[in-house]
Order: sequence, then structure tokens, then C-alpha cells
Amino acid sequence: NAGVMQNPRHLVRRRGQEARLRCSPMKGHSHVYWYRQLPEEGLKFMVYLQKENIIDESGMPKERFSAEFPKEGPSILRIQQVVRGDSAAYFCASSPPRARGTEAFFGQGTRLTVV
Amino acid sequence: GQQLNQSPQSMFIQEGEDVSMNCTSSSIFNTWLWYKQDPGEGPVLLIALYKAGELTSNGRLTAQFGITRKDSFLNISASIPSDVGIYFCAGQLGSNYQLIWGAGTKLIIKP
Repeated sequence: NAGVMQNPRHLVRRRGQEARLRCSPMKGHSHVYWYRQLPEEGLKFMVYLQKENIIDESGMPKERFSAEFPKEGPSILRIQQVVRGDSAAYFCASSPPRARGTEAFFGQGTRLTVV
Repeated sequence: GQQLNQSPQSMFIQEGEDVSMNCTSSSIFNTWLWYKQDPGEGPVLLIALYKAGELTSNGRLTAQFGITRKDSFLNISASIPSDVGIYFCAGQLGSNYQLIWGAGTKLIIKP
């Protein structure tokens, strides 16, 4: 049973470009959480999704950021018109239905560098 | 926003020593979690605590959920080289699935 798969592991974008980060949850998991981590800091919650639904996006910037978790395929975190401040590690976690968020498993992250 | 104060920020220890780190908050948490993160990897859950006063062990690791529900500590006994990494505490408020994270404790083992 593969773990949470994120790709790419590393992504370099120029300012103004778009970044698309993908997350495939563990098999049987229908809940996905995205977190952002800046260097030397803990993770910060961004968004919680279930299949085809955004449950809570209170941690996500209102502009340029969006997330989806379609019926088929991976969850996507999309950052439009990236700026230097978007450089960070983005982690996805997944959990099975009816699980608490504490039972989520994390992927290896995507390290975004904006140049 | 909610904050967790995690200390120490870093620790330099000799192999074989015991390690202790803790997290405190001004808020009451229903769940305390301890994670370890290796360089270039995602966090891995070490111990989850769900009740005030709970003391839980996982091998050489022991963690406690403070009675006031505003703090937790993690102890590592007889440290070994593979213990190096960054340890994070995280707390959950009420039934909210969001995790509030500490800033981490970096564990370095002196050769």
C-alpha cells in the first residue's frame, strides 16, 4: 500500500508563472489536507478537501491559491502568478473517511522555489 | 492566531544521553501529537495523546499530555544517531481537524 505520493518533489518557477502541485492520497483515503512549511518553522494549515468538496480553506490565501480534489485523480494545489514569498515546502496529508485529522499520513512534500 | 511554544529550539547531545523537549500553549488542546521530520521528508507521527494526563510510550520515546491540557513533553531515552532530526509538537483544538504546529526542536548528536 503506497503512501501519500506528492509530485514533483522539487519545482522551480519564475515569478509570475503558475505552480501546480499534485497529491495522490493513500488508497482508501478520501480526505486530503494541504500544509505549507517555511524554513525553520512548523507546518501551517492551508486547506482541507474531500472528494469534489472543499471543506475548509481558511488557511489558504484568498488570491492566487486554489485547491481541488476531483472525483478521479490526484488533489491539485495551484498557485498562480507565483512570487518569491511562495517559496516553501508544501505538504499533503490524507486520512480515511470518518477519521480525525490526527490520523492523517503525510507525503514527502514539494519544495517550491520561486526565482 | 493560535500558537504553540516549543523548546528548546535545538539540542546538541552525546549519543546515549536522554532528551527532553516540551510544548506549551495558552489554549486548551484536545489532542497532542509528536512528529519527527527528517531532511527532505514529510513529518512522521511518533505519538498521539488524546486524554489529559495520558502517558504513552513508543519504544524509547515517551510523551505526556499535561493535566492542564495546555502542555506536553516528549522524552527520548538513550539517544542513537538515527534520532537526529526535527521534532514537532502539534495540537488539535476541540473537534477542529486543523493542527497547530510548534516551530520544532532540532536534535543533533555530537560524534
